[in-house]
Amino acid sequence: TAGITQAPTSQILAAGRSMTLRCTQDMRHNAMYWYRQDLGLGLRLIHYSNTAGTTGKGEVPDGYSVSRANTDDFPLTLASAVPSQTSVYFCASSDSESGGQFFGPGTRLTVL
Amino acid sequence: GQNIDQPTEMTATEGAIVQINCTYQTSGFNGLFWYQQHAGEAPTFLSYNVLDGLEEKGRFSSFLSRSKGYSYLLLKELQMKDSASYLCAVEDSNYQLIWGAGTKLIIKP
Repeated sequence: TAGITQAPTSQILAAGRSMTLRCTQDMRHNAMYWYRQDLGLGLRLIHYSNTAGTTGKGEVPDGYSVSRANTDDFPLTLASAVPSQTSVYFCASSDSESGGQFFGPGTRLTVL
Repeated sequence: GQNIDQPTEMTATEGAIVQINCTYQTSGFNGLFWYQQHAGEAPTFLSYNVLDGLEEKGRFSSFLSRSKGYSYLLLKELQMKDSASYLCAVEDSNYQLIWGAGTKLIIKP
């Protein structure tokens, strides 16, 4: 089934530990995005990639890094997790810089 | 700064009509999107407006006025399954989506 997958579905992480959230799409979309969603706030862009080999910083990039080695995969890494990074993380993709975005199912991360 | 405003919560009755408003102030405008998000799930695309006017898609319609920085989503013949959050997002001059916090719509029988 075509779409976007994210792993893991949920995770509890000790503060100070590192973790990589995985995101894979099979729609051959050029652009991919990572958002966090917190209660009462809109989706906030962490990092994005307009095409394989390029990445950019969004609204809240601190504490996160990304890579885009190929079209399909866009992992998000937390180098040293802090409790404020407790959130639901959504990966999304679109077939152009301008256009509707398709979302993965999300990863619920709790940092203790 | 960039800002998207929409009501936090609305309540409506099954079978009725509800209008969810969205006002925006952004650096540039390349289109406005509405998404639906059920609790615990990912947002899903509903509509896209780039020109002024009304776009109709079944029970859902979306309106845009660029001069007023205003949009609304109109839901007709409400069903219980329409209970969800509705997210307004504007694509700015850098082609980034700026998101509102969402409107939680509660449908009562």
